[in-house]
Amino acid sequence: KNQVEQSPQSLIILEGKNCTLQCNYTVSPFSNLRWYKQDTGRGPVSLTIMTFSENTKSNGRYTATLDADTKQSSLHITASQLSDSASYICVVIRGSARQLTFGSGTQLTVLP
Amino acid sequence: GAGVSQSPSNKVTEKGKDVELRCDPISGHTALYWYRQSLGQGLEFLIYFQGNSAPDKSGLPSDRFSAERTGGSVSTLTIQRTQQEDSAVYLCASSLNIAGTSGGAGGELFFGEGSRLTVL
Repeated sequence: KNQVEQSPQSLIILEGKNCTLQCNYTVSPFSNLRWYKQDTGRGPVSLTIMTFSENTKSNGRYTATLDADTKQSSLHITASQLSDSASYICVVIRGSARQLTFGSGTQLTVLP
Repeated sequence: GAGVSQSPSNKVTEKGKDVELRCDPISGHTALYWYRQSLGQGLEFLIYFQGNSAPDKSGLPSDRFSAERTGGSVSTLTIQRTQQEDSAVYLCASSLNIAGTSGGAGGELFFGEGSRLTVL
């Protein structure tokens, strides 16, 4: 069964701290993996897209890693800011399918 | 427009009524997706349009749900005889082409702000 599981479900950290969010998937065949940020009441916005051959990709304070052998990805947020408070969603796309498999997200809260 | 536009942003309706949700994708985007997001849940695929091809309706939960895309642009999602379990945020996304064909910008999904549906 094609699944994407994210952990933790929720996370609370203090402003300025770093954190890492996890994504494990069983989707096959694999095309690419994406991380999205979804602010409350808004639509998801793309942070990174990673293909099979990419191990790490950065976007400002966000760094995503991918291990295609273990089917795991992580999103590392450095020096968190209050505006980082959001749901972070991992999405895996199969090779030729039109459907994307979404994780249920990690709800991150950054406190001052 | 500059982004994906959805309307209405909020809709409250009574059980049994029909509702229509509208999505105006980014100009030139050939692919259009509808998703449903229930509280605390991941996005659930509903339907996909790609150019003039037959839509992929495999995610529609029942025959009360239907969608069309006129002129390859604006799409309408219709829910007939709404039920309380239909309450959710309905998100529309568009992309230049099929999301799985490229890891790059061409397959990037751009989401609208969603339509929050509440069925009383």
